[in-house]
Amino acid sequence: QQQVKQSPQSLIVQKGGIPIINCAYENTAFDYFPWYQQFPGKGPALLIAIRPDVSEKKEGRFTISFNKSAKQFSLHIMDSQPGDSATYFCAASMGRKLIFGQGTELSVKP
Amino acid sequence: DAGVIQSPRHEVTEMGQEVTLRCKPISGHDYLFWYRQTMMRGLELLIYFNNNVPIDDSGMPEDRFSAKMPNASFSTLKIQPSEPRDSAVYFCASSSTGGNQPQHFGDGTRLSIL
Repeated sequence: QQQVKQSPQSLIVQKGGIPIINCAYENTAFDYFPWYQQFPGKGPALLIAIRPDVSEKKEGRFTISFNKSAKQFSLHIMDSQPGDSATYFCAASMGRKLIFGQGTELSVKP
Repeated sequence: DAGVIQSPRHEVTEMGQEVTLRCKPISGHDYLFWYRQTMMRGLELLIYFNNNVPIDDSGMPEDRFSAKMPNASFSTLKIQPSEPRDSAVYFCASSSTGGNQPQHFGDGTRLSIL
């Protein structure tokens, strides 16, 4: 019940494409859903986050879609660029504890 | 502003040795978290502190692991004795008080136990 399942494990898109990363959770007590971006040799950095009372949130080229009834949420990256190549983690939190998905390694080809 | 600072960045040591990882959180942040990242298990929360007090250590794998936060600007994660299965990247993160404040991660310590 504490797990967050993330897919796909890896993703390759062409520049300008729209990669979509999906996550699912079971525990309805989760109250905050952030996405983190991690580059090699660096720590994860917060990209965008959403609360369960909102169905969509956009920040620049990044959009989270949230389906509370299905207990699923996803990250869309519009007009993807080679500089977006990184590992992306979804997460869910209860209080201060973050439960991370397994990560998606994204490669954006020029 | 300085971010979360971890040291050392890399540590290679032999099985059985004591390992100490260090973390300096962002000034003013009163929550500090220790995570471990491996290919098999992903990013796992080990322990977190609030105002230097350990709040939840349920993620600490076993008694060989211990963490302390003697003051608001310093924390350590110690492994004694170390084992090859402890090889991982260990991250420290900090956040400020208030609802859903983002956690700011350091760049991690890559630990290899031979």
